[in-house]
Amino acid sequence: EVQLVESGGGMVQPGGSLRLSCAASGFTFSSYAMSWVRQAPGKGLEWVSAISGSGGSTYYADSVKGRFTISRDNSKNTLSLQMNNSLRAEDTAVYYCAKYRPERYFDLWGRGTLVTVSS
Amino acid sequence: DIVMTQTPLSSPVTLGQPASISCRSSQSLVHSDGNTYLSWLHQRPGQPPRLLIYKISNRFSGVPDRFSGSGAGTDFTLKISRVEAEDVGVYYCMQATQFPYTFGQGTKLEIK
Repeated sequence: EVQLVESGGGMVQPGGSLRLSCAASGFTFSSYAMSWVRQAPGKGLEWVSAISGSGGSTYYADSVKGRFTISRDNSKNTLSLQMNNSLRAEDTAVYYCAKYRPERYFDLWGRGTLVTVSS
Repeated sequence: DIVMTQTPLSSPVTLGQPASISCRSSQSLVHSDGNTYLSWLHQRPGQPPRLLIYKISNRFSGVPDRFSGSGAGTDFTLKISRVEAEDVGVYYCMQATQFPYTFGQGTKLEIK
């Protein structure tokens, strides 16, 4: 079955760290760029970061640049988002991983993992 | 950053009637390769978004033909020819012409 399954969310204090993972199955993972998109409670969608199929190119929203790191392990079909020592209340959101097609659209989304930053 | 503005933000519609959502970008979405990377997504409550339309007017696999997209440059429209109950939820336009990719605020479609 073609799917993406996120994990690693939870509650963390401001300034804390968290690592999110996204397990991909049912398609040739290394052939596709991937992204993280987040959605704050009751709000709209915000693109966070993207990575090329090889992992050689990465892109970030200004709101997370320097704080978050996207990576992938193509041998394990896994996408990751490391959120380092810098989480803020405004990072509270459901984080979705999404498969990105060369025609520049997201054709497959995971169900998301909730990150709550609160003291 | 490219700002995406959707109207209306809320749209009460009668079952079987048409619906239309507008999306305007703060600058042209025509990429240097000649393509326009504007897509539409639908999100039902408690679910992840799902793709409806890509590159302005291409319906994604499995999307009913009552959904159609049109537009060019900075002005785009999603139309539903006859709204069904399963169409409720929030619709987003998204541009992928340049980083950072950006979404519209969302339009909530509800049944009258």
